[in-house]
Amino acid sequence: NAGVTQTPKFQVLKTGQSMTLQCAQDMNHEYMSWYRQDPGMGLRLIHYSVGAGITDQGEVPNGYNVSRSTTEDFPLRLLSAAPSQTSVYFCASYGVVTGELFFGEGSRLTVL
Amino acid sequence: KQEVTQIPAALSVPEGENLVLNCSFTDSAIYNLQWFRQDPGKGLTSLLLIQSSQREQTSGRLNASLDKSSGRSTLYIAASQPGDSATYLCAVKRRGSQGNLIFGKGTKLSVKP
Repeated sequence: NAGVTQTPKFQVLKTGQSMTLQCAQDMNHEYMSWYRQDPGMGLRLIHYSVGAGITDQGEVPNGYNVSRSTTEDFPLRLLSAAPSQTSVYFCASYGVVTGELFFGEGSRLTVL
Repeated sequence: KQEVTQIPAALSVPEGENLVLNCSFTDSAIYNLQWFRQDPGKGLTSLLLIQSSQREQTSGRLNASLDKSSGRSTLYIAASQPGDSATYLCAVKRRGSQGNLIFGKGTKLSVKP
């Protein structure tokens, strides 16, 4: 029962560094998304994908890049990390049959 | 623009009390509404999903209701326990928005033994 798996769980970066947050799901869901969660701001959508090869921007896409080469994987890339990107990042996949959104455990990122 | 509000932001109750968490949304054209639970340092776990055509859903001690016309949903927790302590979030899905949900900021519940 893996569901949605995110790695790494914790990461510290210096300003200007790049990194990729990994997300994989084993439920054969077409839809996947990335959210960030910040105190007082709630969950905000960064990017989403409705299937392999198709991605689109959410509410706060600047500074992030995504691609979707397979149904299972949806990595989130930070091109040049900034302190404002310090946050907890959640990957989610959506089951069309049940209508439910399933979340990973989160990746806590600190940018110094 | 759809906005989701949860009041109160925090709630503390003694063990055994029945309680209600509130969620309101500004646009009634929703596809469904989902309640989540989030424990500290963890991801979100789905509790209940209510389709727009439904009035309520129940799971164990939890009951969620939906009044689409007034833009409100409530999560009722019966006989609260310390293990219910967590942050509860509601989220709405608009029609035609794929899996994009709009989230409230949550209610942090503390149940005291």
